[in-house]
Amino acid sequence: NAGVTQTPKFQVLKTGQSMTLQCAQDMNHNSMYWYRQDPGMGLRLIYYSASEGTTDKGEVPNGYNVSRLNKREFSLRLESAAPSQTSVYFCASSETLAYTDTQYFGPGTRLTVL
Amino acid sequence: AQSVTQLDSHVSVSEGTPVLLRCNYSSSYSPSLFWYVQHPNKGLQLLLKYTSAATLVKGINGFEAEFKKSETSFHLTKPSAHMSDAAEYFCVVSGPSGGYQKVTFGIGTKLQVIP
Repeated sequence: NAGVTQTPKFQVLKTGQSMTLQCAQDMNHNSMYWYRQDPGMGLRLIYYSASEGTTDKGEVPNGYNVSRLNKREFSLRLESAAPSQTSVYFCASSETLAYTDTQYFGPGTRLTVL
Repeated sequence: AQSVTQLDSHVSVSEGTPVLLRCNYSSSYSPSLFWYVQHPNKGLQLLLKYTSAATLVKGINGFEAEFKKSETSFHLTKPSAHMSDAAEYFCVVSGPSGGYQKVTFGIGTKLQVIP
């Protein structure tokens, strides 16, 4: 039982390049999330998916797109990377969207945009 | 509306002494509260969770937290710090918001443990 996995662990991009961050969970959870972590700002929600086939914007969605490929997988795409997107990205999952449900986090992807 | 304030950005303790990491929250309903720990270059690991059952919550690695509604606090404590406790700790409040789970993270408290 690997929990939540993310690939890649590290990535360096040039401004304007695109890339997709991959996330998968093996806990049979319905809901999945993408966050970014910046120093002094905690974690901020980019997008979330309540269940397979649905996605919604979070606090900071600009410059990102997501795909809920199936129940296990939730990817985050940067179409044209900007230096402001340099951050650590975390994927998380929970059983449902109920606010009492615990979110379980992946190990993160450290992205640098030059 | 909800918010969470971690009162100390850095805490330094000696090994074997008690740990206190302070967290205050604001919420217009009865929230769920969590503490997560993040070791350097690692993901977030759940330490403990409060969801309106017992007000004193016990977590992993000897940590515990007490929910005090009157003080809107959820402070994290440990009787005796270990070197392996050096990490960043996040207090998190979760509540309903329209159709989804609104989760608000504190900015984190870095715990340094001195040998």
